[in-house]
Amino acid sequence: DAGVIQSPRHEVTEMGQEVTLRCKPISGHNSLFWYRQTMMRGLELLIYFNNNVPIDDSGMPEDRFSAKMPNASFSTLKIQPSEPRDSAVYFCASSLGQGFLQPQHFGDGTRLSIL
Amino acid sequence: AQKITQTQPGMFVQEKEAVTLDCTYDTSDQSYGLFWYKQPSSGEMIFLIYQGSYDEQNATEGRYSLNFQKARKSANLVISASQLGDSAMYFCAMRAPSNDYKLSFGAGTTVTVRA
Repeated sequence: DAGVIQSPRHEVTEMGQEVTLRCKPISGHNSLFWYRQTMMRGLELLIYFNNNVPIDDSGMPEDRFSAKMPNASFSTLKIQPSEPRDSAVYFCASSLGQGFLQPQHFGDGTRLSIL
Repeated sequence: AQKITQTQPGMFVQEKEAVTLDCTYDTSDQSYGLFWYKQPSSGEMIFLIYQGSYDEQNATEGRYSLNFQKARKSANLVISASQLGDSAMYFCAMRAPSNDYKLSFGAGTTVTVRA
């Protein structure tokens, strides 16, 4: 079975450029999560969707960050304009519903470097 | 709010031996789920095992078992017959209703398996 698929795996770009990260959740999963991982702050939840609807975006750092889920099989996280402090590993995860027994399955992550 | 505590920042274990990773948690919820994830140096987050708060038996998945002691609020991960490929960072996490089913992570424990 295909897991969560993220693209690109690595992204290096210059400050000020727009960055778009992509995620395809596991088929049938209706909850999707975007995380950011840094050495200083560990894993942070940025936003999560349930049935394609954003439920909680309180973790989104600022207006430069936006996320969409136009359908059940695709989500994007966009940073515009990007800054060096956005450099991190960004994970997408999906789960079968919001139930507390449902594990979240993670993609391989996108390693983002902003120069 | 939940709090997950992993007190062992790093551990060494000899190949083929068992290792126990400690995890304690704090929550006022009666229903919750506990999860363990593995993050090797390549960066991906791999779901290993979960335990529901109402499960009376400890969860097992292959060489992984979860030693759940509800009264002590602990959910230790036991890896039996360690292999070199088990060298990684291990995260304990929890989902509960009071946190909108978000996944709360501990700081992680690095395990290094020696040949």
